Amino acid sequence: KNEVEQSPQNLTAQEGEFITINCSYSVGISALHWLQQHPGGGIVSLFMLSSGKKKHGRLIATINIQEKHSSLHITASHPRDSAVYICAVRFPYSGGGADGLTFGKGTHLIIQP
Amino acid sequence: DTEVTQTPKHLVMGMTNKKSLKCEQHMGHRAMYWYKQKAKKPPELMFVYSYEKLSINESVPSRFSPECPNSSLLNLHLHALQPEDSALYLCASSVDSLSGNTIYFGEGSWLTVV
Repeated sequence: KNEVEQSPQNLTAQEGEFITINCSYSVGISALHWLQQHPGGGIVSLFMLSSGKKKHGRLIATINIQEKHSSLHITASHPRDSAVYICAVRFPYSGGGADGLTFGKGTHLIIQP
Repeated sequence: DTEVTQTPKHLVMGMTNKKSLKCEQHMGHRAMYWYKQKAKKPPELMFVYSYEKLSINESVPSRFSPECPNSSLLNLHLHALQPEDSALYLCASSVDSLSGNTIYFGEGSWLTVV
């Protein structure tokens, strides 16, 4: 069964701390997405990765294809970063949902001032 | 414009009502999706439209009826829903349904069935 595991499930940190959220998957993928969901409901696509590393502002996403692992880092964290961060992967033969996306359970991040 | 717009943001409906959720994007995307998300759970795929044709129906009950009238619009018609259908309904779009494309999500429609 194609699976996506995220850790930690919950993370509370102080403002300014460096944050790492991890995602691992069971078989080879064609793409990995990092998504952010605020309590209001909307989901924002942060990154789409198939290899290497991407950076946008204080966010950095890396993926190691051989180890089947990706990380999302937040530098100089801020209370406004508080949200649920979701890893979603696309398995090449639709091992997940019909569009190939299998979602992790999400990491609930709280940044305290 | 990188927005996916969903209306209404909140909807309360009775079990005998007929209502619709609407989704619109003007990015020229040819793949559009409906997801259902229950509290503290990841989104679950319901339907995929590719080039205005229904390509995927994830065994969704017939009380949910999708419609894609043109390449910019996606509707979800609701009829005779059950209280357990109360959830956040998310619309999303991408350039096409192939891998390697960023997926854009809307803000969602919160549905409560009473």
